[in-house]
Amino acid sequence: KQEVTQIPAALSVPEGENLVLNCSFTDSAIYNLQWFRQDPGKGLTSLLLIQSSQREQTSGRLNASLDKSSGRSTLYIAASQPGDSATYLCAVDYKLSFGAGTTVTVRA
Amino acid sequence: NAGVTQTPKFQVLKTGQSMTLQCAQDMNHEYMSWYRQDPGMGLRLIHYSVGAGITDQGEVPNGYNVSRSTTEDFPLRLLSAAPSQTSVYFCASSTKGRYYEQYFGPGTRLTVT
Repeated sequence: KQEVTQIPAALSVPEGENLVLNCSFTDSAIYNLQWFRQDPGKGLTSLLLIQSSQREQTSGRLNASLDKSSGRSTLYIAASQPGDSATYLCAVDYKLSFGAGTTVTVRA
Repeated sequence: NAGVTQTPKFQVLKTGQSMTLQCAQDMNHEYMSWYRQDPGMGLRLIHYSVGAGITDQGEVPNGYNVSRSTTEDFPLRLLSAAPSQTSVYFCASSTKGRYYEQYFGPGTRLTVT
């Protein structure tokens, strides 16, 4: 059974600092990994999808890397803004095994 | 496109009552799924479907039924609600295959008293 872990559970940074969010998974035989954002009381918004053959994906200030051999993915958010405050979730494969998320607070 | 829609947004049930959570998508996605989200436990897969007429169980299927008669709709039925089913329920969809991005609905917040 795939286990997905996200550390830390919570993170608070001043505005402008770069964010580094970690996701680890136990079974490296994955097809893809997806990063989501969830605002309080809302649904999940897809940020980036990395296929197993890819090492990274970029969208604007967001960059996600994938290292299947070590079972790790990292989401980088450059020059954080207060609007980036949310919970970030990673999930593996089409039946989506989710981590518990990292709650980010960006202080103005 | 409306994307993935869910109704109702909120629901309160008494123990033993039954109800159906509705999920629809207008993107012609073959794959649809239901998750529940509980504090401290993340999202867990309840049931999923890879196409009309085909459904399968996820990690936590007990107490829930699904059917998929059309590509667009994937309702989730609670046969006899229990307090342990108090949760936020999300529906998701994607094109068929292992590599495609999944899209989520806004969720249904269910309370069972």
